[in-house]
Amino acid sequence: AQKVTQAQTEISVVEKEDVTLDCVYETRDTTYYLFWYKQPPSGELVFLIRRNSFDEQNEISGRYSWNFQKSTSSFNFTITASQVVDSAVYFCALSEAGSWGKLQFGAGTQVVVTP
Amino acid sequence: GAVVSQHPSWVICKSGTSVKIECRSLDFQATTMFWYRQFPKQSLMLMATSNEGSKATYEQGVEKDKFLINHASLTLSTLTVTSAHPEDSSFYICSRVRGNTEAFFGQGTRLTVV
Repeated sequence: AQKVTQAQTEISVVEKEDVTLDCVYETRDTTYYLFWYKQPPSGELVFLIRRNSFDEQNEISGRYSWNFQKSTSSFNFTITASQVVDSAVYFCALSEAGSWGKLQFGAGTQVVVTP
Repeated sequence: GAVVSQHPSWVICKSGTSVKIECRSLDFQATTMFWYRQFPKQSLMLMATSNEGSKATYEQGVEKDKFLINHASLTLSTLTVTSAHPEDSSFYICSRVRGNTEAFFGQGTRLTVV
C-alpha cells in the first residue's frame, strides 16, 4: 500500500503566484518523520525540511512554509511568490521510527514556474 | 558542502557488462547506507540497505544477484549492476543518515545501458 500520496502530478504557475503541494501519508507508527525534497533537472535531491510526528508546529523558511496536520495525515508545502528557479520536482517522504533511514517517497509533483 | 559523494555521475555501458557505482560518506563513518533507484519521471524506490561488514538487505523484488552491494569500509558502499540490460537504465542514488537528522543523499548516478 502506498504510504505517501502526492496527488498532484504537475502544477503550472506564473511567477509570483503561490503554489501549494499536497502530501498525505499513512503509517501505524506513532513516531515517524516527514520530509520534503526538491529535485531539480540535475537530479540531486535538495533537502528542504524534516518534521517529526510530535512536532505539529507549522514552519516558515523564507518563501517556503509547511503545514503539518496529524488529524488529516497531511504535510503540505507552500511556495510563496514563486520564482522560475523553483521549477523542479518536489517529493514528500516518510520514514518510520522502526526503519529509520529508509525513506518512502511519494510520486512527486512537478512544479513549472513560467516568467 | 556535500557529505555524501557518489561516483560516477553518469555512465553509459554496453548490454551484458557490469557497472560499479561508489557512494562515499565524507564526514561521518556510516555503518548503514541506502540505495535507491529512480526510473524516468517516477519516484525513488528503496532498493537495499547496505550494512558495513555484513550482507546487504534487499527490498522485495530487487534481485540481489544482479545488484551487488558491498560495504567494505565505514565510508564506502558500492553498488554493482551485473550483466546490465537496457531495462536497468535508471538513476541510482545513495543516502546515509546520522542519528535522527535528515537523510543525506549523493548526487546520483545516471546509468544508460545500450
